[in-house]
Amino acid sequence: AQSVSQHNHHVILSEAASLELGCNYSYGGTVNLFWYVQYPGQHLQLLLKYFSGDPLVKGIKGFEAEFIKSKFSFNLRKPSVQWSDTAEYFCAVNSAVFGGATNKLIFGTGTLLAVQP
Amino acid sequence: EAGVTQFPSHSVIEKGQTVTLRCDPISGHDNLYWYRRVMGKEIKFLLHFVKESKQDESGMPNNRFLAERTGGTYSTLKVQPAELEDSGVYFCASSQVALRGWDNEQFFGPGTRLTVL
Repeated sequence: AQSVSQHNHHVILSEAASLELGCNYSYGGTVNLFWYVQYPGQHLQLLLKYFSGDPLVKGIKGFEAEFIKSKFSFNLRKPSVQWSDTAEYFCAVNSAVFGGATNKLIFGTGTLLAVQP
Repeated sequence: EAGVTQFPSHSVIEKGQTVTLRCDPISGHDNLYWYRRVMGKEIKFLLHFVKESKQDESGMPNNRFLAERTGGTYSTLKVQPAELEDSGVYFCASSQVALRGWDNEQFFGPGTRLTVL
């Protein structure tokens, strides 16, 4: 069965610090990978996604993630965080199957990031 | 373009009562998903509709949960009778039919927070 592990449950950083959130998945086939973010009081939003091609993916608000197939990892990074990045971050994976088959997302447990001004 | 909407945003009911949650997907999205997050845990898949048909309902916890999508537009998720462990946030998401990789993105609604007392 597919599963996703997020190693950091709570992260506290000061503004301008660098961020790296770990995400590992287990699935033997071709996958699509996602990072979603939920800001306080808001709904889940897509931060970035990987389908194929360049394994270094750039998303919104200066975030990026690197897909390392050999390590089954898709870590999220940002060189300098801001107070407004305070949110919960979710890594998710689904199988790259198209044409009507179910593409349910398998989520990690989420990482709460608090950025102190 | 309107996003995914869910109603109600919050619901507080007593054990044994019935609650019906509603989701309106993005117009033109054939795929509709229900997910649930119990406090402190990961977001878990419940079921997937393609138009009005249930494609995958492997995540439904038990037969107290009934999901419908009559006419292939909005969907309802009814819990009857509700139990304490049903408390959580219920998310709905929608997507286009994934014929290509970049179609495989799910857009989430704000969620319905259900509290069963």
